[in-house]
Amino acid sequence: EAAVTQSPRSKVAVTGGKVTLSCHQTNNHDYMYWYRQDTGHGLRLIHYSYVADSTEKGDIPDGYKASRPSQENFSLILELASLSQTAVYFCASSDTLINTEVFFGKGTRLTVV
Amino acid sequence: GQQVQQSPASLVLQEGENAELQCNFSTSLNSMQWFYQRPGGSLVSLFYNPSGTKHSGRLTSTTVIKERRSSLHISSSQTTDSGTYLCALERSTGNYKYVFGAGTRLKVIA
Repeated sequence: EAAVTQSPRSKVAVTGGKVTLSCHQTNNHDYMYWYRQDTGHGLRLIHYSYVADSTEKGDIPDGYKASRPSQENFSLILELASLSQTAVYFCASSDTLINTEVFFGKGTRLTVV
Repeated sequence: GQQVQQSPASLVLQEGENAELQCNFSTSLNSMQWFYQRPGGSLVSLFYNPSGTKHSGRLTSTTVIKERRSSLHISSSQTTDSGTYLCALERSTGNYKYVFGAGTRLKVIA
């Protein structure tokens, strides 16, 4: 079964501080994604990547950076965390971009205070 | 506007009752996927369903691409089915992937 592992699973950050969320997949998938979910809402795409050392903007990239140092690893970086970035963040991977199943990690609950 | 509309937004069932959850898309799609989100937050893939009907235990998913809709049928509901059901659309245009609906929050009571 496909495996996507996120760390940390939860984090409390201070406003203005830097936060890095990490994601590791063992599926040998080319595509990786970062989504955020706000209470009572669906998921929205922040950034995605289809190859190492390259990232693309999703629907809501402002305030976030992403890094894909290798096929297996994909990080989401909040350089200056803000209260509005309190949310649950999900990482996902897929084999291709089209006509393929997406596999999700268990999520990271981020609280910015 | 919303590309993925899920209905109902919430639903309460008596254990044993059936449920039909709907997902309608306002844009053309390649495929779609149904997820179950546990109260703790993790996502579980229920169906990857490009078209047609798929079964898994008490769950049935039917996708009609041309009509831009998909449904999830839960038969003989159990309290453990409680949680949020999300559908996601894989768009056929644009260069990124799934767009999610807001979900249907299901509560099954004994």
